[in-house]
Amino acid sequence: QKEVEQNSGPLSVPEGAIASLNCTYSDRGSQSFFWYRQYSGKSPELIMFIYSNGDKEDGRFTAQLNKASQYVSLLIRDSQPSDSATYLCAVTGGTSYGKLTFGQGTILTVHP
Amino acid sequence: DAGITQSPRYKITETGRQVTLMCHQTWSHSYMFWYRQDLGHGLRLIYYSAAADITDKGEVPDGYVVSRSKTENFPLTLESATRSQTSVYFCASSAENQPQHFGDGTRLSIL
Repeated sequence: QKEVEQNSGPLSVPEGAIASLNCTYSDRGSQSFFWYRQYSGKSPELIMFIYSNGDKEDGRFTAQLNKASQYVSLLIRDSQPSDSATYLCAVTGGTSYGKLTFGQGTILTVHP
Repeated sequence: DAGITQSPRYKITETGRQVTLMCHQTWSHSYMFWYRQDLGHGLRLIYYSAAADITDKGEVPDGYVVSRSKTENFPLTLESATRSQTSVYFCASSAENQPQHFGDGTRLSIL
């Protein structure tokens, strides 16, 4: 079983819709959870991080964490074509303190 | 400007040659990391460092060497490059248990 799993997609949503990206992790001791956005040919860019169960909102982005279910998600409201990118889920803490373990990423396409 | 800088941005070399990728950060972050990114494998950790003179292996360390004599620098050396090491290499840094921030990457081709 992979340590961090994401659906590779592509996930296609129309402009203005909500995009929902999901991630599961295997290390129950994981403490910190991150979402990175990566445009083609560019480096990963941090967009959200969450440490506690529940929701965390930042503008159009909401991160949701459920440690009991070992599940973290990212919602993008009012999706724009500029949101089209690969979204990487990353996890740290527990047995891998200080190191990030990445999922393979979900490709999101927002079409006009 | 503060940040994390990788050099070179692009490099073409031949099998068997030694090549060093540079990474420099100005945040005084204690942690630094090297990743490679390949289609079908995502981002994989090669080596990381928790502080100057402290380094440890990641998921795919074979064929690579690192050093960290100064907090701000974390060079990655391929001692004898192989075609399988053709990849995009990212350096990242972070404060303890804080988000990592990535450099722009080095695209390395080994012929």
